[in-house]
Amino acid sequence: DTEVTQTPKHLVMGMTNKKSLKCEQHMGHRAMYWYKQKAKKPPELMFVYSYEKLSINESVPSRFSPECPNSSLLNLHLHALQPEDSALYLCASSQARTRGYEQYFGPGTRLTVT
Amino acid sequence: QKEVEQNSGPLSVPEGAIASLNCTYSDRVSQSFFWYRQYSGKSPELIMSIYSNGDKEDGRFTAQLNKASQYVSLLIRDSQPSDSATYLCAVNDNAGNMLTFGGGTRLMVKP
Repeated sequence: DTEVTQTPKHLVMGMTNKKSLKCEQHMGHRAMYWYKQKAKKPPELMFVYSYEKLSINESVPSRFSPECPNSSLLNLHLHALQPEDSALYLCASSQARTRGYEQYFGPGTRLTVT
Repeated sequence: QKEVEQNSGPLSVPEGAIASLNCTYSDRVSQSFFWYRQYSGKSPELIMSIYSNGDKEDGRFTAQLNKASQYVSLLIRDSQPSDSATYLCAVNDNAGNMLTFGGGTRLMVKP
């Protein structure tokens, strides 16, 4: 089973709202990722959690705040976003140090900031 | 700066033909290579992984790796209209969790 789930599927929020994106995997993977993808571009890495610790933060603005409550869950808290933050937000997971870090993506959350 | 290059396409092939997708990478220490398929509006789906020089076959898909020349390719035999998608090449140096993606090649299979 290579399933990563994400909620919600779609999210529309105003620039003053606070919302959260959720991701879950039950594959025993110990690395989890947040990516942002704009139309006709490849996924752009935002954060990496390895063994529940933030290991990579790709200079993402502080209006995006990741959280890893346990090895199966990953959240992305959103606050005071800008219209240019509208994108597909993808969660992925992988075995931390085996199988070449094969990453499996969830279905994504389509975010629109108005 | 690690770079992964793909022709953006679109690559147009007739139904039943072989589609050949190519990818080159700049970092010689790259160890793991992946092909993802992404349908419009959907998330990337891992379809092939390859770690050693040579060919790896899985159904209609064959991945080919040549580390000396720093390229990896994906062949799709008996192409179907349902194969029409963007194919993303990704590489990892196995020193960390980061994948470097190419820009993707859009494949169109015409009936």
